[in-house]
Parts: sequence; C-alpha cells; structure tokens
Amino acid sequence: AQSVAQPEDQVNVAEGNPLTVKCTYSVSGNPYLFWYVQYPNRGLQFLLKYITGDNLVKGSYGFEAEFNKSQTSFHLKKPSALVSDSALYFCAVREDSGAGSYQLTFGKGTKLSVIP
Amino acid sequence: GAGVSQTPSNKVTEKGKYVELRCDPISGHTALYWYRQSLGQGPEFLIYFQGTGAADDSGLPNDRFFAVRPEGSVSTLKIQRTERGDSAVYLCASSLKALGGAGGGNEQFFGPGTRLTVL
Repeated sequence: AQSVAQPEDQVNVAEGNPLTVKCTYSVSGNPYLFWYVQYPNRGLQFLLKYITGDNLVKGSYGFEAEFNKSQTSFHLKKPSALVSDSALYFCAVREDSGAGSYQLTFGKGTKLSVIP
Repeated sequence: GAGVSQTPSNKVTEKGKYVELRCDPISGHTALYWYRQSLGQGPEFLIYFQGTGAADDSGLPNDRFFAVRPEGSVSTLKIQRTERGDSAVYLCASSLKALGGAGGGNEQFFGPGTRLTVL
C-alpha cells in the first residue's frame, strides 16, 4: 500500500524568507511524486512532479522539490516566499507498479501562511 | 483551453435522497478520476476510468456509490440513499492516457469540485 505523510499541519514564514513544506512517502516500488496547491474555494492546481531523472525538480511559481530516495522524502521548497503563496499544499504519491490503477494517495495537507 | 468542469458547484440534499454529480474532463484526456475530500483531509480516491470502463473502483465506499462514463468523456457519479456522512467535496480529475512507465506519471488536472451537503 502507498501512503504519504505531511508532518506539519501549518507552516508560517515571513515574506522574502525561504520556505519548506515537508513530505515523506511509502511505496513498495518506485514512486511518482506530485505537489498540488489549493486556494480557498478553488480546485487543486498542479505544481510539479518527480517521475525519474534529476532529484531536483522545478515547477510553477518558482517552487522546486527534492526527491531523496534514502529518506523517502519529497520536500517542497521556494527560495523567497510571497504573501500570494499562502494556501493549502498537498503532496501525493503513486507507485510505479507498471500496471493497474493510477490513483493518487494524498497527504492531509499543510497550510502555508506567508506573513507580510 | 477549458479545464475540468463540474456541476453543480453546490448540492444540498436530504438524507435518503439520490444525487448525481457531473464531470466534464479536459478534451482529449482519456483517463478520468473521482476523489472525495472531507474537511481537513486530503482527497481520497474513489474510482478511475480509462475510456469508458472503470479500471479501478476500489475506492468506492459501498454499493450506494456508482459512476459511469458511457461515451468516454463526461462522467456522472451517482449516490443512492445519501447519508450525512457522504457530505464532502467531490473532486473530478482527468489526465492524458496513462501508458504505463513514464506515461503513468501524467499529472492529473482537477476540477473545482462539487460540495455535497446531506441534511
């Protein structure tokens, strides 16, 4: 079974400071990893994904994430936070089993608040 | 182009009633997914269609829930004899055909959701 943990319910960071939103995962095989952002009363928006290749993945709005296989982590990062980055962030995983379902398993989400 | 659309945006119903929730995926996306998001939680998988067929319905909580996609495009999630515990936001997503391997990593694009409230 696949699972995702986002250990922080909320992260507060000052505008202009670097931000990190943590994610760890568990799968039997190789993982496909995703980050989504959810703004109030809006659907989930795709930010970035790791499939294979470089461990550092760059995505939308200046976000990036680093895949660490030994630590089974996929933390989301941004060098300089903006107030407009305040939202709910979800990490998701699916296992590359080569067949069957492509369902994503999501974490519970981390609320990011960027303080002016 | 247009994204994933879902109707209605809000649905209030009474316990025991039947409801239908509709999803229009992105044109050309053959894979379609339904998820359910309860307050304070991440989305939970319900069912996945590849074309017209349900390739994986392992997330449907019980036989009151059913989904169809008769022409391989629009999908309808149907809930019979609704219960208060069914109250949640129901999300639909679509993606390019998952070919396996790297194709299985195609990102899913989500609609705005339907907020279902069962009184």
